[in-house]
Amino acid sequence: SAVISQKPSRDICQRGTSLTIQCQVDSQVTMMFWYRQQPGQSLTLIATANQGSEATYESGFVIDKFPISRPNLTFSTLTVSNMSPEDSSIYLCSVGPHGTGKDEQYFGPGTRLTVT
Amino acid sequence: GNSVTQMEGPVTLSEEAFLTINCTYTATGYPSLFWYVQYPGEGLQLLLKATKADDKGSNKGFEATYRKETTSFHLEKGSVQVSDSAVYFCALSSNDYKLSFGAGTTVTVRA
Repeated sequence: SAVISQKPSRDICQRGTSLTIQCQVDSQVTMMFWYRQQPGQSLTLIATANQGSEATYESGFVIDKFPISRPNLTFSTLTVSNMSPEDSSIYLCSVGPHGTGKDEQYFGPGTRLTVT
Repeated sequence: GNSVTQMEGPVTLSEEAFLTINCTYTATGYPSLFWYVQYPGEGLQLLLKATKADDKGSNKGFEATYRKETTSFHLEKGSVQVSDSAVYFCALSSNDYKLSFGAGTTVTVRA
């Protein structure tokens, strides 16, 4: 499986500010995704990070709030803009398909964000 | 659209008890089905998967069978250990590789 790292692992931010989360993979992958896990909840897909083009956002998520970059096949960033306490969540990147598991996704360790 | 309905928890068991977590799904086409596990303080890990009807996924003593006729993918383990305490997520993906997750089931195993 792919080895995925995220930075920062956690942060406490003030409302109105922005935070950029980085996701790095140890090998080239076709697809990268960003998910949000609100406290005590399941995971919700924010967007698909497309290499060399604009990200594809799911319903309820917009580029102005969650701008995403993917400059190459091993790296992506998610920015949480103009934060409010409702943005307090764990943000996870995932990659797939990878290796022999053509439809498997592997997840980074997550970034725990608290907005005060 | 795709959706996953998962047995609500929390579930509390004694060591060596039998565990079942029910999962049913709604999807167009022929999705792949997954169970992910999140241990306390850790990230999400793929536990097992099945990609077509009647496939059985297995790992670490856990099993789940892809039942197309009942659109289900129930997770089972015959004898749980304290180390199995975690949150378990059922998920599916269709041709676009996007994952749809169930709500998650918190399992606590007591010694």
